Amino acid sequence: DQQVKQNSPSLSVQEGRISILNCDYTNSMFDYFLWYKKYPAEGPTFLISISSIKDKNEDGRFTVFLNKSAKHLSLHIVPSQPGDSAVYFCAAPSYNTDKLIFGTGTRLQVFP
Amino acid sequence: EAGVAQSPRYKIIEKRQSVAFWCNPISGHATLYWYQQILGQGPKLLIQFQNNGVVDDSQLPKDRFSAERLKGVDSTLKIQPAKLEDSAVYLCASSFYGGELFFGEGSRLTVL
Repeated sequence: DQQVKQNSPSLSVQEGRISILNCDYTNSMFDYFLWYKKYPAEGPTFLISISSIKDKNEDGRFTVFLNKSAKHLSLHIVPSQPGDSAVYFCAAPSYNTDKLIFGTGTRLQVFP
Repeated sequence: EAGVAQSPRYKIIEKRQSVAFWCNPISGHATLYWYQQILGQGPKLLIQFQNNGVVDDSQLPKDRFSAERLKGVDSTLKIQPAKLEDSAVYLCASSFYGGELFFGEGSRLTVL
């Protein structure tokens, strides 16, 4: 049972354009969401998070939007840079625990 | 500040052999996690420790996997006997009592 889904395994974007990575979830009890970024041969690193009491959180070039009614969140990167090329995972803590449930990831490639 | 250390980085074994992975978390982090990331999937929690006690091992295949954190600091994850489907990256992460997770670089296991 995949409670956190990332339906796009890959995305290719030109440098300077917007990258939009999507994530859907099935458990309405999730109230906090995180995005992690993973470079090859490295562990995931925390990027940005959002609480369910908000619908938007912004940090520099990164903005996460949450649509609770649709059980959907998205990560926007503007402008995209070649260094953003990585695999992005969305994740949510299982209800009432801190056990993170990860999506399958989206590989972003930003080309010049 | 030193990050989460893992070793070995890479290991190739034949099926039915055994393997052990070691993790040293960030100093002062009470919570330690072992995740399994199979190619094309998101990380899946195998076991979570708080100090030297197990918090969650519901997804650990206990017939072949074992993990310990005897002194509440570093941890060892063992697989015996290994199966082909155990080929994955084993990620160790730590946090300060369930806060932000910091991941190590991972140990990539190939079972032939």
